[in-house]
Amino acid sequence: DQQVKQNSPSLSVQEGRISILNCDYTNSMFDYFLWYKKYPAEGPTFLISISSIKDKNEDGRFTVFLNKSAKHLSLHIVPSQPGDSAVYFCAASGNNDMRFGAGTRLTVKP
Amino acid sequence: EAGVVQSPRYKIIEKKQPVAFWCNPISGHNTLYWYRQNLGQGPELLIRYENEEAVDDSQLPKDRFSAERLKGVDSTLKIQPAELGDSAVYLCASSLRGTGPYEQYFGPGTRLTVT
Repeated sequence: DQQVKQNSPSLSVQEGRISILNCDYTNSMFDYFLWYKKYPAEGPTFLISISSIKDKNEDGRFTVFLNKSAKHLSLHIVPSQPGDSAVYFCAASGNNDMRFGAGTRLTVKP
Repeated sequence: EAGVVQSPRYKIIEKKQPVAFWCNPISGHNTLYWYRQNLGQGPELLIRYENEEAVDDSQLPKDRFSAERLKGVDSTLKIQPAELGDSAVYLCASSLRGTGPYEQYFGPGTRLTVT
């Protein structure tokens, strides 16, 4: 059962523009959400997180938005840079469980 | 600070052969995870340790998979015998404590190919 879904397997944006990556979850027990970035031949690296008591968390060019009623979160990258090209995984945690989405491959074109 | 170390990075074996993966977590991290990541999918938890204790192994195929974390530091994941469907990347991660507001730090993974 896919409790965390990233419906867009890939996304391509121009350098300098905004990248928006989306994630949906089904389990209302999840109360902490994370985004990981993965380069080829490396393990995922933590990027940014948000607790369910918040609806927004910002860290530099990266902002995560959480809509609990819709069970939806998104990652905004502004401005996008070619070095941001990677696979981005959404993860949801709660009740001693963590689930990952299938990932979205972001390509930022110079 | 050293990250999570895994070895080997790549392994090719024939089906029915045994294979073992090793992981050394970040110093001081009590919680250790083993994940399997199939192509085009996200990581799926196999087993989670709190110190030496396996607190969640519900997704570990126990007929062929085994894991240990002696002394609560490094860990070994074994498959015996391997099947074609076991081809995947096996990721080890560690965190200060269990799931919750504690980020997991991943190693580079071991890419297993079973032929």
